[in-house]
Amino acid sequence: GQNIDQPTEMTATEGAIVQINCTYQTSGFNGLFWYQQHAGEAPTFLSYNVLDGLEEKGRFSSFLSRSKGYSYLLLKELQMKDSASYLCAVRDNDYKLSFGAGTTVTVRA
Amino acid sequence: IAGITQAPTSQILAAGRRMTLRCTQDMRHNAMYWYRQDLGLGLRLIHYSNTAGTTGKGEVPDGYSVSRANTDDFPLTLASAVPSQTSVYFCASSVGLAGNDEQFFGPGTRLTVL
Repeated sequence: GQNIDQPTEMTATEGAIVQINCTYQTSGFNGLFWYQQHAGEAPTFLSYNVLDGLEEKGRFSSFLSRSKGYSYLLLKELQMKDSASYLCAVRDNDYKLSFGAGTTVTVRA
Repeated sequence: IAGITQAPTSQILAAGRRMTLRCTQDMRHNAMYWYRQDLGLGLRLIHYSNTAGTTGKGEVPDGYSVSRANTDDFPLTLASAVPSQTSVYFCASSVGLAGNDEQFFGPGTRLTVL
């Protein structure tokens, strides 16, 4: 099975940077995903890491260390619209995703 | 249809009743999934299908069944609903068995079992 941990809540100021950590213990690993979910809406894909290192996509970056079972999602130049839940998900060798409980980020003016 | 759709949007159901949640995608994706999302627990996989004609059990399959008669449709059935099945249900699809196999989610069905 998978055990995925991420903080429950984080608060940051508009224009700032926030880092959301995710640690995992898995019986198989075949990639790590980050999804964004606004309140009352469906999750949408943000990033994918399968090799160690940093993947950058505009204001969002995601990092993976497979040996440490660790990932983070970095949100730069925060905007009010970034207020949402961020879900860390690990894919196993059967291509099934296991999700963490999510981190709710609140951006304040 | 554009993407993935679910019906109904919301439903209030009496315990013991049978209910089918519908999911349809028009992206010709091979893989489809059903999740439930509960506060504090995140998304949990109920059942999945890697390709038409095949299905598999996820983390929380008890009380649910699925079928995959064709590529586009993946209905989820609650044979006899119980209050613990009150949740938001998301259907998702993906190309399947690929590297960056991004899952696309439907808008969700909010189900309340009384």
